[in-house]
Amino acid sequence: GEDVEQSLFLSVREGDSSVINCTYTDSSSTYLYWYKQEPGAGLQLLTYIFSNMDMKQDQRLTVLLNKKDKHLSLRIADTQTGDSAIYFCAETFSGGYQKVTFGTGTKLQVIP
Amino acid sequence: SQTIHQWPATLVQPVGSPLSLECTVEGTSNPNLYWYRQAAGRGLQLLFYSVGIGQISSEVPQNLSASRPQDRQFILSSKKLLLSDSGFYLCAWSVRTGGRAEQYFGPGTRLTVT
Repeated sequence: GEDVEQSLFLSVREGDSSVINCTYTDSSSTYLYWYKQEPGAGLQLLTYIFSNMDMKQDQRLTVLLNKKDKHLSLRIADTQTGDSAIYFCAETFSGGYQKVTFGTGTKLQVIP
Repeated sequence: SQTIHQWPATLVQPVGSPLSLECTVEGTSNPNLYWYRQAAGRGLQLLFYSVGIGQISSEVPQNLSASRPQDRQFILSSKKLLLSDSGFYLCAWSVRTGGRAEQYFGPGTRLTVT
């Protein structure tokens, strides 16, 4: 079955690095994604990684994928107050209707 | 470029009243469309998805329904709202791109049932 889990809350100081973790159960996932949701807004796609990759870097964002352990992480370097939001990981599978399974969301609080 | 609109942005409705939320997408053709509900700012619950005009699949049985009268229009409805229908409703669209299927979300509708 499909199950994507994240820790509920993370607090970091401005300028530090943030690491948001995600575990999933379905090994047939093809792409994994990170979304950001600011208060009262829709979700915004941040980045994605193909399942045969183990790392992807995009400016301050680094995605690490450990397919053996079914573990995905998002590292935000030099975290800013504007990074405060809820972060969702998500996965898609080959075939089907493009269903995306979202994680439970991690609320990141950045302390000035 | 593609854009997605939802309205209204906020809505306060009494229990037992009808509901109609609208979502439209611009700048793409034949998208997959989705309705999600998010309670208390946390996880997303997929309510309905549509792969084409008139094609609706329900993920969770409830008193809500969805319709897709046009290619880029998706409507969420209820004949009689319940208190438990309160939440943040998000519409999203996706188009498969070489195996990727990232979804793009609208701004959401905050529904409060009183």
